[in-house]
Amino acid sequence: SQKIEQNSEALNIQEGKTATLTCNYTNYSPAYLQWYRQDPGRGPVFLLLIRENEKEKRKERLKVTFDTTLKQSLFHITASQPADSATYLCALPDPGNTGKLIFGQGTTLQVKP
Amino acid sequence: KAGVTQTPRYLIKTRGQQVTLSCSPISGHRSVSWYQQTPGQGLQFLFEYFSETQRNKGNFPGRFSGRQFSNSRSEMNVSTLELGDSALYLCASSITYNSPLHFGNGTRLTVT
Repeated sequence: SQKIEQNSEALNIQEGKTATLTCNYTNYSPAYLQWYRQDPGRGPVFLLLIRENEKEKRKERLKVTFDTTLKQSLFHITASQPADSATYLCALPDPGNTGKLIFGQGTTLQVKP
Repeated sequence: KAGVTQTPRYLIKTRGQQVTLSCSPISGHRSVSWYQQTPGQGLQFLFEYFSETQRNKGNFPGRFSGRQFSNSRSEMNVSTLELGDSALYLCASSITYNSPLHFGNGTRLTVT
């Protein structure tokens, strides 16, 4: 079955630095991968979608890469701010193309001023 | 456009009782998915509805059920509640399947 791995340990960085979060997956080649942000007590918010034929995608201070050979996606936040502190989740479509989205456990990012 | 609305926001129930949670999707979104989120298991897929039909179901017991109405609003029901059902239940809507999900802020269910 599909397995998604994100760093379970919290990532602590200093304001202004670049945060890099990792999402590794196994067992198949998804057509796309999504990243979401979740704040405590709230639902996840969609950030970016990257397709298998795209190496990189950017949105403001966010950048996502998708390496289908390594089966890995990297999520970067440049010039990080304390407001970026949250849990970031990666998600992939179910291998059976059912439309179901499978989420990783998420990585909590803490940006210190 | 209004976002996904889930009611109630918080719920406390006793073991053995049943509960119904409600979700109003974003206008124009026909797909509604439900997820259970717990600290140990993360986000677990419950089921997905499209045009009143359940298209997908996760690995949950039959005590968990749902439905979707003609206006795309959805409800999920949990019968014979167990302590382990305590979780944040999230509803998400999308224009179609394989589109990004728009989540509500969830219903926090506590079973005592």
